Amino acid sequence: GQNIDQPTEMTATEGAIVQINCTYQTSGFNGLFWYQQHAGEAPTFLSYNVLDGLEEKGRFSSFLSRSKGYSYLLLKELQMKDSASYLCAVLDSNYQLIWGAGTKLIIKP
Amino acid sequence: SQTIHQWPATLVQPVGSPLSLECTVEGTSNPNLYWYRQAAGRGLQLLFYSVGIGQISSEVPQNLSASRPQDRQFILSSKKLLLSDSGFYLCAWSPRQDYNEQFFGPGTRLTVL
Repeated sequence: GQNIDQPTEMTATEGAIVQINCTYQTSGFNGLFWYQQHAGEAPTFLSYNVLDGLEEKGRFSSFLSRSKGYSYLLLKELQMKDSASYLCAVLDSNYQLIWGAGTKLIIKP
Repeated sequence: SQTIHQWPATLVQPVGSPLSLECTVEGTSNPNLYWYRQAAGRGLQLLFYSVGIGQISSEVPQNLSASRPQDRQFILSSKKLLLSDSGFYLCAWSPRQDYNEQFFGPGTRLTVL
């Protein structure tokens, strides 16, 4: 079967750095997405990785290792507004998105 | 630019009543369309997706159905709602190409009492 694992919840301090991990087992791989979802709102796109390595976009970076079936989202200089759920999703061989359950990130002052 | 609309934003319905949620996309043609449900504190569950008018694929057997009467219109329906149908319903679209970033509508929060 297809499976995506993320921690359920993480807590971090304002101004700090946090890394959210995602491991996946899917039938084929055509890319990995990270989305941010604030409570009660729709998910919004953060990043897309299809090749191994690190993609940096401002305070957010996303890393992919296809051989390990592993990705992480790195958030730097955390702000209170970063409190949200972070969803990992993998595009499988049929170009369908397989979604993880999401990681709820709590930022404390 | 492309936009996606969903309505209503919130809905409270009694058990056994019918349901119709509508989603429309503007600014693009021939999109892939998706209906998701998200239970409180849970991940996204894909319910239906469509690659064209009248073409619907169901991912999870249930008492819901979907229709795509026009290229940029996607409707989620039920004849009789169950308590377990409560949740946050999200419509999404993606361009018809391999890179499949999905863009989400604002969602409909459905409470079945």
